[in-house]
Amino acid sequence: QKEVEQDPGPLSVPEGAIVSLNCTYSNSAFQYFMWYRQYSRKGPELLMYTYSSGNKEDGRFTAQVDKSSKYISLFIRDSQPSDSATYLCAMSAGNQFYFGTGTSLTVIP
Amino acid sequence: DGGITQSPKYLFRKEGQNVTLSCEQNLNHDAMYWYRQDPGQGLRLIYYSQIVNDFQKGDIAEGYSVSREKKESFPLTVTSAQKNPTAFYLCASRRQDIYGYTFGSGTRLTVV
Repeated sequence: QKEVEQDPGPLSVPEGAIVSLNCTYSNSAFQYFMWYRQYSRKGPELLMYTYSSGNKEDGRFTAQVDKSSKYISLFIRDSQPSDSATYLCAMSAGNQFYFGTGTSLTVIP
Repeated sequence: DGGITQSPKYLFRKEGQNVTLSCEQNLNHDAMYWYRQDPGQGLRLIYYSQIVNDFQKGDIAEGYSVSREKKESFPLTVTSAQKNPTAFYLCASRRQDIYGYTFGSGTRLTVV
């Protein structure tokens, strides 16, 4: 079983839609949870990170962590064509980081 | 502006050749990492270094080698022992007290 599972998509939504991206994990020791956005042929960039359970909001983006269910989510409100990218979740316990395979998102104008 | 510079952006390797991918950072980060990204497999850790002159193997270190002679630099050599080197290689760094990596823009290596 992989440490982190992420649906690869692809996911295609109309502009303005609310997007929900999700990951599940198996290691209960994970404490830090991150979301990265990766444009084609570029390196990932850190979007948000949260510690332990709860919600964190940054503009149109909301990260949610449910440690009891081992489930994390990223919500994108009022999605824009510029949000079209691959989104990777990541989580860590200590110095070890584990990444999901990424979900490809296309926002159609 | 601070960041991580990877070069070259594209690299072609002939069978049996060693090639070296460059990674330089001016963020004053202590830790540096090399990942390999393949479609459908996510990021896999090759090597990482927490301090100068010290590094550890990641999950897929076979066929790769690294050095960390300076804090700013962490080059990766893909040796001829790596049988399937065609991939997108990402270098990353982070401060020890902050979670989350800063990534470079990547090097795409192709065997010809």
